[in-house]
Amino acid sequence: DAGVIQSPRHEVTEMGQEVTLRCKPISGHNSLFWYRQTMMRGLELLIYFNNNVPIDDSGMPEDRFSAKMPNASFSTLKIQPSEPRDSAVYFCASSPPPAGYTFGSGTRLTVV
Amino acid sequence: RKEVEQDPGPFNVPEGATVAFNCTYSNSASQSFFWYRQDCRKEPKLLMSVYSSGNEDGRFTAQLNRASQYISLLIRDSKLSDSATYLCVVTGSGGSNYKLTFGKGTLLTVNP
Repeated sequence: DAGVIQSPRHEVTEMGQEVTLRCKPISGHNSLFWYRQTMMRGLELLIYFNNNVPIDDSGMPEDRFSAKMPNASFSTLKIQPSEPRDSAVYFCASSPPPAGYTFGSGTRLTVV
Repeated sequence: RKEVEQDPGPFNVPEGATVAFNCTYSNSASQSFFWYRQDCRKEPKLLMSVYSSGNEDGRFTAQLNRASQYISLLIRDSKLSDSATYLCVVTGSGGSNYKLTFGKGTLLTVNP
């Protein structure tokens, strides 16, 4: 089992640019989560998908953030336009029913 | 009161020491509890679940006090490889039981 796969591992971009983060969950896991981790705020849930449907997006900071899950094996988190305060590590995690998160290795985003 | 609160540390202990971490949570209806471990620049990984009766996994013992909304983790005979950040994790209640809320973590360094 390859685990949860995220890409890219690192992303450095200029303020105002669009950023797209990608995630491939573990096959058979029907829940997918996007988390963001910063020193100040720790790990925060951004959005939760169940069976490819967004269930809880209350953690998405603002309209600049959007997430999609077009099928069971792929999800994206997009930031447009990016700002320096978006700099963080973004984790994707997947879970089989009923629980048991497995995190991907994360994407370290730096917006300059 | 923060949803999940931990002493950030850092804890610096010698090899072989016993160290204890504490955590409090605000939602009295939370259903499940965990300790995760996060190594530097890595993703969080599940260390152990926490059960009401208390549970042990080798050198690790977890306790839960629902009345006080308090969780603890005890590490005996600490090893250099135990150096990491330990995250206290609580699920939501009712329809939000999918949601893991993380404390900011307690940093442990075990010294030779």
